[in-house]
Amino acid sequence: SLVLTQPPSMSVAPGQAAAITCGGNNIGHKHVHWYQQKPGQAPVLVVYDDRDRPSGIPERFSGSNSGHTATLTISTVEAGDEADYYCHVWDSSRDHVVFGGGTRLTVL
Amino acid sequence: EVELVESGGGLVTPGGSLRLSCGASGFMFRSYAMNWVRQAPGKGLEWVSYISGDSSFIYYSDSVRGRLTISRDNAKNSLFLQMNSLRSEDTAVYYCARAFGNGGWDSWGQGALVTVS
Repeated sequence: SLVLTQPPSMSVAPGQAAAITCGGNNIGHKHVHWYQQKPGQAPVLVVYDDRDRPSGIPERFSGSNSGHTATLTISTVEAGDEADYYCHVWDSSRDHVVFGGGTRLTVL
Repeated sequence: EVELVESGGGLVTPGGSLRLSCGASGFMFRSYAMNWVRQAPGKGLEWVSYISGDSSFIYYSDSVRGRLTISRDNAKNSLFLQMNSLRSEDTAVYYCARAFGNGGWDSWGQGALVTVS
């Protein structure tokens, strides 16, 4: 079955870029979605279909997907971006939803 | 405005049952697939179940198949999760979420806490 692997944590200084990866077998052939979750809150969709942003999500958030790795990039990190980030795909081979384990982003 | 509101969470003893509801408003409920996902304390997101708009397609994660049952009432704009034979490992916040397009979930409820103890 498909497993999505994310780094458990990463730290970035304000103003720097953060690239959060999501690795999975041939994930480049699937639609990848990304969620931001702050403590005590429900997740929020920040990127869908690999690279599209819902309305209201800043342009600082972008996505890419190729081969075995999808990436969520926050171009200029702000303190308010500190959160857990999850990648998500539909595994059509098993009719299952799969989430990555999540990446905790800390803004230094 | 799209809104999803879960209810029905609470404390239940192992082996017991609970029924979660998710009330939807602000959109044409019948046109959207819906999901339940859960999050154990301090853990990541775990998908539980999916139901298509007309209930013709239903899927479950391996960890809940046979114990949890998803359903919906489009006339009442409501999604349900019947939870039977509950175990301590089912303790989590349960979210309902709306799926759109190629499967992104663009709207989430605030979550309902289920504690099995």
